[in-house]
Amino acid sequence: AQKITQTQPGMFVQEKEAVTLDCTYDTSDPSYGLFWYKQPSSGEMIFLIYQGSYDQQNATEGRYSLNFQKARKSANLVISASQLGDSAMYFCAMRELSGAGSYQLTFGKGTKLSVIP
Amino acid sequence: EPEVTQTPSHQVTQMGQEVILRCVPISNHLYFYWYRQILGQKVEFLVSFYNNEISEKSEIFDDQFSVERPDGSNFTLKIRSTKLEDSAMYFCASCPGWGRETQYFGPGTRLLVL
Repeated sequence: AQKITQTQPGMFVQEKEAVTLDCTYDTSDPSYGLFWYKQPSSGEMIFLIYQGSYDQQNATEGRYSLNFQKARKSANLVISASQLGDSAMYFCAMRELSGAGSYQLTFGKGTKLSVIP
Repeated sequence: EPEVTQTPSHQVTQMGQEVILRCVPISNHLYFYWYRQILGQKVEFLVSFYNNEISEKSEIFDDQFSVERPDGSNFTLKIRSTKLEDSAMYFCASCPGWGRETQYFGPGTRLLVL
């Protein structure tokens, strides 16, 4: 079973509008973290936002917010006031403690966001 | 702002050749990772490294792969005998500590095996 599911291969949004990118996850670990990374066409991975499983409030970082619904195991990224520079691939990732004590990330397949002028 | 750096940015090699991908993690970070991303696919974990030894490796990380931290600053990934299917973007990441910390990624090395 997929640990991270991103059901939207591609999304379009009008400039200055808000957009929600979906992410659901599957884990039995009570302590985990959820991340969103942005990958522009140049290829680098840019950290956007983090949500811990025990965090009481939804994470926010500037125009990015994370709509964390623990019971539904979803961690959707909301981008407000979209800009042309937001056009990129967006990856949801989960960090959970593995049996060997490592904290590697498991990534979803990504959503390609295109911002329309 | 400190960042993870990787060299080279691009590498083209012939099948069967050895390649070494280099990374300089953020200086006070303790945990280091290699990931790869085959073109158009998701990012996959290869190996994690802590305290000068491998913490965990994925099934992708077979005997053709090795990692080391030779001098306290560089973190390298070696592929001994490259195959066509090793063509991918390879990302190094580092993390300041254990647990809740964010992993910061380098810009990647795009490897093409011909």
